[in-house]
Amino acid sequence: AQSVTQLDSQVPVFEEAPVELRCNYSSSVSVYLFWYVQYPNQGLQLLLKYLSGSTLVKGINGFEAEFNKSQTSFHLRKPSVHISDTAEYFCAVSKDDGGSQGNLIFGKGTKLSVKP
Amino acid sequence: KAGVTQTPRYLIKTRGQQVTLSCSPISGHRSVSWYQQTPGQGLQFLFEYFSETQRNKGNFPGRFSGRQFSNSRSEMNVSTLELGDSALYLCASSLSPFNEQFFGPGTRLTVL
Repeated sequence: AQSVTQLDSQVPVFEEAPVELRCNYSSSVSVYLFWYVQYPNQGLQLLLKYLSGSTLVKGINGFEAEFNKSQTSFHLRKPSVHISDTAEYFCAVSKDDGGSQGNLIFGKGTKLSVKP
Repeated sequence: KAGVTQTPRYLIKTRGQQVTLSCSPISGHRSVSWYQQTPGQGLQFLFEYFSETQRNKGNFPGRFSGRQFSNSRSEMNVSTLELGDSALYLCASSLSPFNEQFFGPGTRLTVL
């Protein structure tokens, strides 16, 4: 069965500093991985996804993630954060091996707080 | 292009009642998924519909049901509400199950 573990529930960081949000997964089928962001009182927005191909995935707003099969990880990184990046970030894995993006298992989320 | 619309945005019900939540997908999208978000359990998958057929179902009791209409609009129903059903219910739509999902703002349900 698939599962996702986000290792940090909260990450405080100063503006313009780099940040890494950690995600480990377990999957018994082909792996399709996603990072979503949720701003207060809003729905989720897709940041990036790994379906196949290059293990370094670039997303929106300057975020990127690296798929590491041996470490079963998919950590999200940004070299320099802004106040506007303050939000909750969710890592997710597809529940089936057909590449479906509509049936996801989410981690518990990491709250990123960017301080001036 | 209008985004995913969910109605109502806020809802207060009492235990034992039933509730119906509505989701209108982005025009042209035929796939709709529903998720429940709570502080304790996080985001949990409820249902996935494509072309009026339920494609997948999460691990929720039978009190939770859903359907999709020919215009791709979807509804979910919760009967015999319990306090633990208080949550943000999120709907997402996509062109197909294999395309990017776009989420609506959610319906916040409070059960008293």
